[in-house]
Amino acid sequence: DQQVKQNSPSLSVQEGRISILNCDYTNSMFDYFLWYKKYPAEGPTFLISISSIKDKNEDGRFTVFLNKSAKHLSLHIVPSQPGDSAVYFCAAREVSLDKVIFGPGTSLSVIP
Amino acid sequence: DADVTQTPRNRITKTGKRIMLECSQTKGHDRMYWYRQDPGLGLRLIYYSFDVKDINKGEISDGYSVSRQAQAKFSLSLESAIPNQTALYFCATSGSGSYNEQFFGPGTRLTVL
Repeated sequence: DQQVKQNSPSLSVQEGRISILNCDYTNSMFDYFLWYKKYPAEGPTFLISISSIKDKNEDGRFTVFLNKSAKHLSLHIVPSQPGDSAVYFCAAREVSLDKVIFGPGTSLSVIP
Repeated sequence: DADVTQTPRNRITKTGKRIMLECSQTKGHDRMYWYRQDPGLGLRLIYYSFDVKDINKGEISDGYSVSRQAQAKFSLSLESAIPNQTALYFCATSGSGSYNEQFFGPGTRLTVL
């Protein structure tokens, strides 16, 4: 059973609008969450992260929100740009195991 | 030059063949990982190593083996390849410590016929 879920395999957004990518998790022992971005024919690259002691982290156009009670996090991209078109992976870390579990990914298309 | 390199980038092989995928890094990281990516399943951890003398199984290690030849090199072997090992394979590294991000190589696309 997947511990990190991204229930939307794909998402299309108009350029300039907000993109919201969602992620749900089941393990209450996860204490750190990360988002990675992947372009075709390249490896994933780190985008932004958030500790479980926070509910929001912002970096330029990218903001991650964490709702621990709902075991839900989301990545907001504002404004969306065509170069943001990629697959986005949500990942979660359990401190006691020191390993990261990745979700299945959401493919974002930003339409000019 | 890329910090994490993988060779080969593409490989087609036949069922039953032994194949090795190689990973090298210049980031000076102690930790190295092998993942495979399948559609709809994301990245799944095969093996990981926190230093040269440390090798650990991930969630899908059956049918795979690894060798950590040096701090900078981590190889993944398929002793007898089977078609359901057809996937995109990624090597990654990270520094020591609790919250370090992972740095990924460009991937190896492996097809087992």
